[in-house]
Amino acid sequence: DADVTQTPRNRITKTGKRIMLECSQTKGHDRMYWYRQDPGLGLRLIYYSFDVKDINKGEISDGYSVSRQAQAKFSLSLESAIPNQTALYFCATSGEDRPYEQYFGPGTRLTVT
Amino acid sequence: GQSLEQPSEVTAVEGAIVQMNCTYQTSGFYGLSWYQQHDGGAPTFLSYNALDGLEETGRFSSFLSRSDSYGYLLLQELQMKDSASYFCAVRDGRAGTALIFGKGTTLSVSS
Repeated sequence: DADVTQTPRNRITKTGKRIMLECSQTKGHDRMYWYRQDPGLGLRLIYYSFDVKDINKGEISDGYSVSRQAQAKFSLSLESAIPNQTALYFCATSGEDRPYEQYFGPGTRLTVT
Repeated sequence: GQSLEQPSEVTAVEGAIVQMNCTYQTSGFYGLSWYQQHDGGAPTFLSYNALDGLEETGRFSSFLSRSDSYGYLLLQELQMKDSASYFCAVRDGRAGTALIFGKGTTLSVSS
């Protein structure tokens, strides 16, 4: 089984809808991250969490919110989706001893029409 | 702030050696990581350099010069399966252990 899973893998939604992307991990890591990837722009950090009670904004958090329901679960929400949020979204985790080595989920391809 | 520069594309032939460069500007440098991403797939960790010099892992080597704010990833004995995007990344000094990624270099290997 994969160490980091994301659901759904693909989603098409309409402008204005609320969407939740879910991430679960079995690595036992405290640190979890959400990134989005757009063609030619690399990976950009949306939110990150170092434990259940610690949530922090990344460089592009506007229009997004997160919830850390447990050590193993970190969800990303788009409260009112807009077309420029169409992207590939990745969840990642890392351990405290090797923070430079992040483990990524398979990604969620989100299309907002 | 932090920024990383990588060439957008590199092409090479099977069996060759290719070097992909990364220059960075960052406040509070902790080290340089490299990730590989095949089209549509998840990024996977390749290597990490915290100190100057060369780190070797099989066909892959990564180099760092802290004084020049520069690193590179070297791939030897190229194979078709090495066709992918390669990202360098540094820790975000404001965000603890979260990473800031470069825009990536797309490597195309031909026969």
